[in-house]
Amino acid sequence: TQLLEQSPQFLSIQEGENLTVYCNSSSVFSSLQWYRQEPGEGPVLLVTVVTGGEVKKLKRLTFQFGDARKDSSLHITAAQPGDTGLYLCAGAADSSYKLIFGSGTRLLVRP
Amino acid sequence: NAGVTQTPKFQVLKTGQSMTLQCAQDMNHNSMYWYRQDPGMGLRLIYYSASEGTTDKGEVPNGYNVSRLNKREFSLRLESAAPSQTSVYFCASSGTAGKLFFGSGTQLSVL
Repeated sequence: TQLLEQSPQFLSIQEGENLTVYCNSSSVFSSLQWYRQEPGEGPVLLVTVVTGGEVKKLKRLTFQFGDARKDSSLHITAAQPGDTGLYLCAGAADSSYKLIFGSGTRLLVRP
Repeated sequence: NAGVTQTPKFQVLKTGQSMTLQCAQDMNHNSMYWYRQDPGMGLRLIYYSASEGTTDKGEVPNGYNVSRLNKREFSLRLESAAPSQTSVYFCASSGTAGKLFFGSGTQLSVL
């Protein structure tokens, strides 16, 4: 059974601080996605990474896919209250797009 | 602008009752999914449908049935609800790019 472990589970930081969220597995994934979910809503896709070592930037968010395609990280620079939410990583083992989700990191950015 | 529409948004059932969760998408996507989300466990795939007329079991299919009525609609049925099925249920769809679009969820409580 493929598992994705996210850490930390909870993170409470002050506005302006930097943070990194990790997503780790012992399995290889063909691609990995990051989603953000706000209360009462479904997850919304932020980014997809497909190549080992790939780095993608989305404004203040930087996503990295590990060289071996077993892990990924999300780094947020100068966090803002609007970044508050549940961050989920999701991996696809093959091209079927049956995604395995991590348990999520709940982020609170205090003004 | 609808995307993925789920009904109902909230439901309370007694143990043993049955119900159907409805989902429709207007993006002409081939693939549709049903997930459940429990605290600390991320999203777990119940069933998915790669195309109209096909359905496959996901990680946690026991106690559920699905129907892919047409390309737009994918319903999830609980024949005899149990307290362990208390959860938030999400429907999602995806096209060829593999990006998942989620509905806003159904919060189900089974007493």
